[in-house]
Amino acid sequence: QVQLVQSGAEVKKSGASVKVSCKASGYTFTNYGISWMRQAPGQGPEWMGWISAYNGNTNYAQKVQDRVTMTTDTSTNTAYMELRSLRSDDTAFYYCAREDYSSGWYPYWGQGTLVTVSS
Amino acid sequence: DIQMTQSPSSLSASVGDRVTITCRASQGISNSLAWYQQKPGKAPKLLLYAASRLGSGVPSRFSGSGSGTDFTLTISSLQPEDFTTYYCQQYYSIPGTFGQGTKVEVK
Repeated sequence: QVQLVQSGAEVKKSGASVKVSCKASGYTFTNYGISWMRQAPGQGPEWMGWISAYNGNTNYAQKVQDRVTMTTDTSTNTAYMELRSLRSDDTAFYYCAREDYSSGWYPYWGQGTLVTVSS
Repeated sequence: DIQMTQSPSSLSASVGDRVTITCRASQGISNSLAWYQQKPGKAPKLLLYAASRLGSGVPSRFSGSGSGTDFTLTISSLQPEDFTTYYCQQYYSIPGTFGQGTKVEVK
């Protein structure tokens, strides 16, 4: 069965960087991309971007494209999302998710990683 | 980006009630719409995709309809485990965008 397991909660100061990991299992990692979403308290999820685990191609949301880097490590079937120059409004749960093929909907999600940014 | 607007933002209902949630897109999205259920502290769970197709393992009391800009999620007979928050998501264009959520509460 497909599983996405994320790294633990992080507390960071404004201006710092955070790197969240997402370890995949139960499928051929390089056959699918990984998307990253975030969800601030009381709001709907927000798509941050996507990375192909096959060739590393990325597509980032305009809102974060200057501050985010998504990478994968095919030797460990792990995807990473690094967000730099953190601000208080970056405080949110961060999720990795996998589509059903290139469908656009997400049947598979990680458990979420809470990133708290304090001043 | 396509804006997704859900209504109502919250509703009160009882076990056994029929509940309908609406999602409106700011432009036509064909049937490229998914619905998710999210319980507190958990990731969203896919309920329906392509507006009306049930996700794997999802009970048949959940159904969806609509095309273009207006969509509905219906729960035919509300169960105790259904009192939580629901989101719609369009995947017609990148970036996929979600509604702000509808919380179903106990009356």
